[in-house]
Amino acid sequence: KNEVEQSPQNLTAQEGEFITINCSYSVGISALHWLQQHPGGGIVSLFMLSSGKKKHGRLIATINIQEKHSSLHITASHPRDSAVYICAVGSSSGTYKYIFGTGTRLKVLA
Amino acid sequence: DAGVIQSPRHEVTEMGQEVTLRCKPISGHNSLFWYRQTMMRGLELLIYFNNNVPIDDSGMPEDRFSAKMPNASFSTLKIQPSEPRDSAVYFCASSPTGAYYNEQFFGPGTRLTVL
Repeated sequence: KNEVEQSPQNLTAQEGEFITINCSYSVGISALHWLQQHPGGGIVSLFMLSSGKKKHGRLIATINIQEKHSSLHITASHPRDSAVYICAVGSSSGTYKYIFGTGTRLKVLA
Repeated sequence: DAGVIQSPRHEVTEMGQEVTLRCKPISGHNSLFWYRQTMMRGLELLIYFNNNVPIDDSGMPEDRFSAKMPNASFSTLKIQPSEPRDSAVYFCASSPTGAYYNEQFFGPGTRLTVL
């Protein structure tokens, strides 16, 4: 079993839909990061969370430390949101290492 | 700032050849990471440098892989000899420090194909 699990693995949505991507982890963490990777493109950090909730534009990220779970929400989804979203946790036993989820491939149709 | 710069962006080579990937981190960042991304295994950390010193190379697959950071503005990842299973996208990332709470800034990646 992977230490960081994401669901769903693939997601297709219609433009305007509310989207939720989930990340569950089994290790103790110091922080959790959500990353975005566009097709053929580089990787961009969206959020770093250690507790609570953060919002940036149409993106909202939440984390529940007790349940070892984080969600990434996209409101009013748009085709340009089509990308792979990757959850990465910073283990509490190491200061620099990310443990990556396998990613969720999102496609938003116009 | 130009961000993390990697070269080449694409590399196609034949099995047995030497491959060198290059990375220029963001100026002022003292931590540098090399990652490999494949469909099967996702993103994997290969090696981590802090202040030009290799701190953790436990992710380097085998002796065919080597990495150097001769100064704060340049790092290389070398594969010699290359094999088809090395085909992947290789990312370099830099960070202000190695601390977990610091964002890592990723380069555009080098797509390596070994025939």
